[in-house]
Amino acid sequence: RKEVEQDPGPFNVPEGATVAFNCTYSNSASQSFFWYRQDCRKEPKLLMSVYSSGNEDGRFTAQLNRASQYISLLIRDSKLSDSATYLCVVPQGGKLIFGQGTELSVKP
Amino acid sequence: GAVVSQHPSRVICKSGTSVKIECRSLDFQATTMFWYRQFPKQSLMLMATSNEGSKATYEQGVEKDKFLINHASLTLSTLTVTSAHPEDSSFYICSARAGFYNQPQHFGDGTRLSIL
Repeated sequence: RKEVEQDPGPFNVPEGATVAFNCTYSNSASQSFFWYRQDCRKEPKLLMSVYSSGNEDGRFTAQLNRASQYISLLIRDSKLSDSATYLCVVPQGGKLIFGQGTELSVKP
Repeated sequence: GAVVSQHPSRVICKSGTSVKIECRSLDFQATTMFWYRQFPKQSLMLMATSNEGSKATYEQGVEKDKFLINHASLTLSTLTVTSAHPEDSSFYICSARAGFYNQPQHFGDGTRLSIL
């Protein structure tokens, strides 16, 4: 089993749609989690940090299920500018373990 | 938010050249910096962890004599790709961590290296 696993997509959704990404992790001792977004040919940018059961920031909601070892990211009212690759990231041993990323494409 | 600056953003050079990339944390002190490489359509691959004042820790399969890392101060780490060849062409990204172990890292804007 991969340490951090994501559905690579791509997810193609219309503007205004709600879309959810899931991410599973293998280390049950992990305590914190991050969602980064990466635009094409750019660096990853931190979107949300998750330290407890979840976190909400505007249209973005992250939820953590420790029992099932997965983290989800929900995007409501999708905008064209949300098109990017979303990276699920789990710190482990002082390093960041990256999922392979989920590609989102929001269409007009 | 935390700002990490990386320079240069784009390098095109001939095979055999050595290329130096700088990574600076602009508004915080980074005891630990990280160097990643990303190939097209793939996720980031950690190359090495750089600690201020000590030798870098390289990931398995990364040649330390090929990729020289120096972390001389709390705000600057450098990666030198020595005698670069076309297979070294990639997107190199640094990141810095301001605080504790499990805090998020903040990324530089990356260096696109093309070796002809």
